[in-house]
Amino acid sequence: DTEVTQTPKHLVMGMTNKKSLKCEQHMGHRAMYWYKQKAKKPPELMFVYSYEKLSINESVPSRFSPECPNSSLLNLHLHALQPEDSALYLCASSERDLDTQYFGPGTRLTVL
Amino acid sequence: AQSVTQLGSHVSVSEGALVLLRCNYSSSVPPYLFWYVQYPNQGLQLLLKYTSAATLVKGINGFEAEFKKSETSFHLTKPSAHMSDAAEYFCAVSSGSARQLTFGSGTQLTVLP
Repeated sequence: DTEVTQTPKHLVMGMTNKKSLKCEQHMGHRAMYWYKQKAKKPPELMFVYSYEKLSINESVPSRFSPECPNSSLLNLHLHALQPEDSALYLCASSERDLDTQYFGPGTRLTVL
Repeated sequence: AQSVTQLGSHVSVSEGALVLLRCNYSSSVPPYLFWYVQYPNQGLQLLLKYTSAATLVKGINGFEAEFKKSETSFHLTKPSAHMSDAAEYFCAVSSGSARQLTFGSGTQLTVLP
């Protein structure tokens, strides 16, 4: 089973709201990733967690705050977002760094 | 440094015709190469991967790709297109200490009846 789940599927939020995206995998993978994907573009890497520690932050604004409470769970906390942050947010996991990444279905985020 | 170039942002084929999606990579060390497919409003699904074993890689849904080091290419093919193959296809590379996937810009495949 190579399933990565993400909730919610859709999210609409105002610029003053605080919300969180959730990602879960039960494959025993030790690396987890957040990507942002705009329409008609490839995914852009935001964060990488390796063995529950943040290992890569691709200069993402502080209004995005990742959290990895345990090896199966990855959260992305959102606060004071801008309309240009509207995108599909994808989570992925892999056994280790450089291994094959398996993607979740994504959360479609709209910021009003 | 690593990079991927996908030639042709849009490719149209007739149902039953050969599908050929082109991918060229640049990497200073032996790469791992991947093809992913994305259907509208969905995540990315792994089609196939090359990890330095056989140069001809078979994937899901009848797709295959051949790693050609001399041409730095990893083109995706399928002998006979089906309407359900219509989607966005991404080639990606990871190598050395990059610790991340680098994606190509994507190719939108349209299958005509």
